[in-house]
Amino acid sequence: SQQGEEDPQALSIQEGENATMNCSYKTSINNLQWYRQNSGRGLVHLILIRSNEREKHSGRLRVTLDTSKKSSSLLITASRAADTASYFCATSQGAQKLVFGQGTRLTINP
Amino acid sequence: DVKVTQSSRYLVKRTGEKVFLECVQDMDHENMFWYRQDPGLGLRLIYFSYDVKMKEKGDIPEGYSVSREKKERFSLILESASTNQTSMYLCASSSDTGDKQPQHFGDGTRLSIL
Repeated sequence: SQQGEEDPQALSIQEGENATMNCSYKTSINNLQWYRQNSGRGLVHLILIRSNEREKHSGRLRVTLDTSKKSSSLLITASRAADTASYFCATSQGAQKLVFGQGTRLTINP
Repeated sequence: DVKVTQSSRYLVKRTGEKVFLECVQDMDHENMFWYRQDPGLGLRLIYFSYDVKMKEKGDIPEGYSVSREKKERFSLILESASTNQTSMYLCASSSDTGDKQPQHFGDGTRLSIL
């Protein structure tokens, strides 16, 4: 069953611009995680935000969580060509299981 | 760094064959997972395991089985491969400290069933 839904499905921006991706989910969660996947590779964990947190930063990444709207956003500032990848949100309802969205495909144009 | 190793990056098999996909992790993680990834469908959980010899069905277990005889190794078995099992298969592991731990993924096996 799909829990997280990312928006947009694809995003293309110029290098140096900021990229914002959104994730919506349907049921209550324990935490929400964001992952990156480079073409043909596995997923890499980026950041985890707990249900009682509203905002979290890691380097050029900023994640927000609004549990009342059941949504999260991932902001990548000052984008680089190396940020080109697919980005997935994943929600946890307990028991170590994650439910992934379909992902946003981000392209950074030089 | 955690390393999750999947035995093959690319695999081509024939319809009806029994197919084994192997996954090994080197961080003594309790939890291991198998997903398949298809365009437009994202990642879907096939099976997972909390401990040696334990397994739990995920969202799409039909046509698959798993084996976890040792803590570091989690095998996915396609009992009788079919063309609709052509997909990218991803293995992941996580430590057993509640659901606050990230999952660590292998690079995937792209399986084609002819």
